[in-house]
Amino acid sequence: QQQVKQSPQSLIVQKGGISIINCAYENTAFDYFPWYQQFPGKGPALLIAIRPDVSEKKEGRFTISFNKSAKQFSLHIMDSQPGDSATYFCAAINSGGSNYKLTFGKGTLLTVNP
Amino acid sequence: NAGVTQTPKFQVLKTGQSMTLQCAQDMNHNSMYWYRQDPGMGLRLIYYSASEGTTDKGEVPNGYNVSRLNKREFSLRLESAAPSQTSVYFCASSLVGSSGNTIYFGEGSWLTVV
Repeated sequence: QQQVKQSPQSLIVQKGGISIINCAYENTAFDYFPWYQQFPGKGPALLIAIRPDVSEKKEGRFTISFNKSAKQFSLHIMDSQPGDSATYFCAAINSGGSNYKLTFGKGTLLTVNP
Repeated sequence: NAGVTQTPKFQVLKTGQSMTLQCAQDMNHNSMYWYRQDPGMGLRLIYYSASEGTTDKGEVPNGYNVSRLNKREFSLRLESAAPSQTSVYFCASSLVGSSGNTIYFGEGSWLTVV
């Protein structure tokens, strides 16, 4: 039972284009939704995160859009660059819960061609 | 600033051998985690420790044991390695109660069981 579904599995974008990765969740108790970026040979690192009291959060070229009623959230990378090529994971957590565990999507491998 | 440090980085084991993956964090975090990452499977939680002295099973605990040695250190032991345990293992830590429950990952340990 996968609680966070992520798509697409892989994505190829031209330099300067927009990369869009989508996630959907089932547990309405989730209240914190981070995105992690992972470069080859490295551990995942927090990229950007959102709480459901806002519909959008932007940090530089990275934007999270959140639709609470649809239980969906997405990552948009504007003006995608070759240096953005990495694996991206969405995640969710019930921050008020007792188990302190993030639930991850299965990841999206993004390739930005020069 | 070391963050989360894992050792060893690479290890080859024979089926049936045992080994321990070591992890230490220097951020005074209370929670620590062990994940495994396999192609197409994303990050799956093996065990976690919400605080010093406590450990709990995650999504895929079979074949593993853990020890929370102190607040800084959390080790993962494979008692009798199997080829199915060939994977990349990530240790992580977080400060529960902080805004957002950001989880910080180590750089990974590549384990091959032959």
